Amino acid sequence: GAGVSQTPSNKVTEKGKYVELRCDPISGHTALYWYRQSLGQGPEFLIYFQGTGAADDSGLPNDRFFAVRPEGSVSTLKIQRTERGDSAVYLCASSPKLGGEQFFGPGTRLTVL
Amino acid sequence: EDKVVQSPLSLVVHEGDTVTLNCSYEVTNFRSLLWYKQEKKAPTFLFMLTSSGIEKKSGRLSSILDKKELFSILNITATQTGDSAVYLCAVDQAGTALIFGKGTTLSVSS
Repeated sequence: GAGVSQTPSNKVTEKGKYVELRCDPISGHTALYWYRQSLGQGPEFLIYFQGTGAADDSGLPNDRFFAVRPEGSVSTLKIQRTERGDSAVYLCASSPKLGGEQFFGPGTRLTVL
Repeated sequence: EDKVVQSPLSLVVHEGDTVTLNCSYEVTNFRSLLWYKQEKKAPTFLFMLTSSGIEKKSGRLSSILDKKELFSILNITATQTGDSAVYLCAVDQAGTALIFGKGTTLSVSS
């Protein structure tokens, strides 16, 4: 079956621009997670959803970052006024339930020039 | 502060060698420990460990958890070049987000 997909695979933008990153979880998975991975580091938690609601957004670094999951399936991570420090690989994962194994997508590599 | 520490950070071995990767953790509300293999972008799941002392095996890979000493090891026997990757250890904290270590970069030369 289809795994977690993320689009775009690569995104290059200029400082100050707005970007949206999309995640399509595995069908039927109720839990969805966003992580950010910088070079040489492990993934760092940003936010997770159980269904449509953000159950925990404590990992979002500041109010420029926002994520939605309006119908409990696809999620979009939105970054306003991008900064060079936002450059990283943004990973999405889904799980059939909270606390289960998380299945990761291939990530979106964001480069802010 | 919750943390997961992996060692070594990098390792170079020859094909056929056996390697042991280490992961120690200090995390409140521990639920399980997971190992992932990351070759390009997407981490792929290897093992989930919840109970101490019970070894999990998959082919040449095996892992075990010690909840008293707060660590886990991942063993790979008879390494192959295809084992070259970053191996990530993560702790599931109360069934929510995973806390990852920095990973161990394994390079297997032929």
